[in-house]
Amino acid sequence: EAAVTQSPRNKVAVTGGKVTLSCNQTNNHNNMYWYRQDTGHGLRLIHYSYGAGSTEKGDIPDGYKASRPSQENFSLILELATPSQTSVYFCASGDPGGAREQYFGPGTRLTVL
Amino acid sequence: DAKTTQPDSMESTEGETVHLPCSHATISGNEYIYWYRQVPLQGPEYVTHGLQQNTTNSMAFLAIASDRKSSTLILPHVSLRDAAVYHCILRPTGGNNKLTFGQGTVLSVIP
Repeated sequence: EAAVTQSPRNKVAVTGGKVTLSCNQTNNHNNMYWYRQDTGHGLRLIHYSYGAGSTEKGDIPDGYKASRPSQENFSLILELATPSQTSVYFCASGDPGGAREQYFGPGTRLTVL
Repeated sequence: DAKTTQPDSMESTEGETVHLPCSHATISGNEYIYWYRQVPLQGPEYVTHGLQQNTTNSMAFLAIASDRKSSTLILPHVSLRDAAVYHCILRPTGGNNKLTFGQGTVLSVIP
């Protein structure tokens, strides 16, 4: 069964600190995605990747970086965390092509104080 | 991005069949219709998808209008576990295959 895991599941950070959210998939999918979800909004795409070494900007990339060191791992990096980045973050993986579903991780709840 | 319109909420009773509507009047020929659902504190879960023909799987039946401007997700014999937010999403065949989520329909299931 397709599996996407995220760590940590919960994180409290201070303003100005660096935060790294990690995602691992065992599906051997080429594409991976980072979304955030806030009350009153649907999921919004931050960064995505087509494969190891590739990162692309999504719809709301400002304040975030991404890293894809391998097929399995995709990280989201907040170099200088701000309270506006308090949110729930979801990672997903999927194969390219319109008829391919995405599999989501359980989410990371980030609070920036 | 192409848009979908769904009712904010619907309510059903356990054992009933639920019809969740979605309007996508500006859908393009290369866009698939995807349905995901999400329960609190979990990531979205894939339900089904289709292009032109109706589709069925173990979770649901997807009915697509002949002009593709609307679709209906049909959940037979709902249980309490089907209570979730259901998202109808259009996804093009090319590009980065991202999913653009809206607010979805909150389905409540009464025992």
